[in-house]
Amino acid sequence: GQQLNQSPQSMFIQEGEDVSMNCTSSSIFNTWLWYKQEPGEGPVLLIALYKAGELTSNGRLTAQFGITRKDSFLNISASIPSDVGIYFCAGRPLGSGNTGKLIFGQGTTLQVKP
Amino acid sequence: SAVISQKPSRDICQRGTSLTIQCQVDSQVTMMFWYRQQPGQSLTLIATANQGSEATYESGFVIDKFPISRPNLTFSTLTVSNMSPEDSSIYLCSVVAGQETQYFGPGTRLLVL
Repeated sequence: GQQLNQSPQSMFIQEGEDVSMNCTSSSIFNTWLWYKQEPGEGPVLLIALYKAGELTSNGRLTAQFGITRKDSFLNISASIPSDVGIYFCAGRPLGSGNTGKLIFGQGTTLQVKP
Repeated sequence: SAVISQKPSRDICQRGTSLTIQCQVDSQVTMMFWYRQQPGQSLTLIATANQGSEATYESGFVIDKFPISRPNLTFSTLTVSNMSPEDSSIYLCSVVAGQETQYFGPGTRLLVL
């Protein structure tokens, strides 16, 4: 079946450092979404990508839709303690249309040391 | 964007009982979905809630176990039936709004004893 491989699984970094995480798949996706989930909350949408090669920023966050349509990365610059949480990539497979069937990565747990 | 609320936010239930979870959206949406997030895991789609017709279930999920209602374009319910400890999870309502952008509710945390 379709799977997303998200890495790294976890990161423990110093405040102020930059962070990079990525998702790859053997299948083509036509949408990539990045979410952050904090304890006791649902996933919150950070960035949505709709076209191959698209590069989008949201404050200190930057994400790109890979040109092969099989990967995406998320960068966080100058991390702060409130960046702590679990980051999920999610993709909508080619041909799934607007079915809502997102395939999720396994998540990257980010911890920031003040 | 869409603002999604869920009730209850959490519950502790006894084995063999059923729980109905409600999802309310602040605007009319075409697509509504229910996801499950097992402890320490990622999210898995349970079903698509179809307005006025039976829900569409993903492989591994059946209507008898997870009956879903969607009476209108802003509301849906998911029932977890005949619960067992393996059903302990976070259950999340999700909608598509705007440019195929998908939003999630805060989730319902269920613990089955």
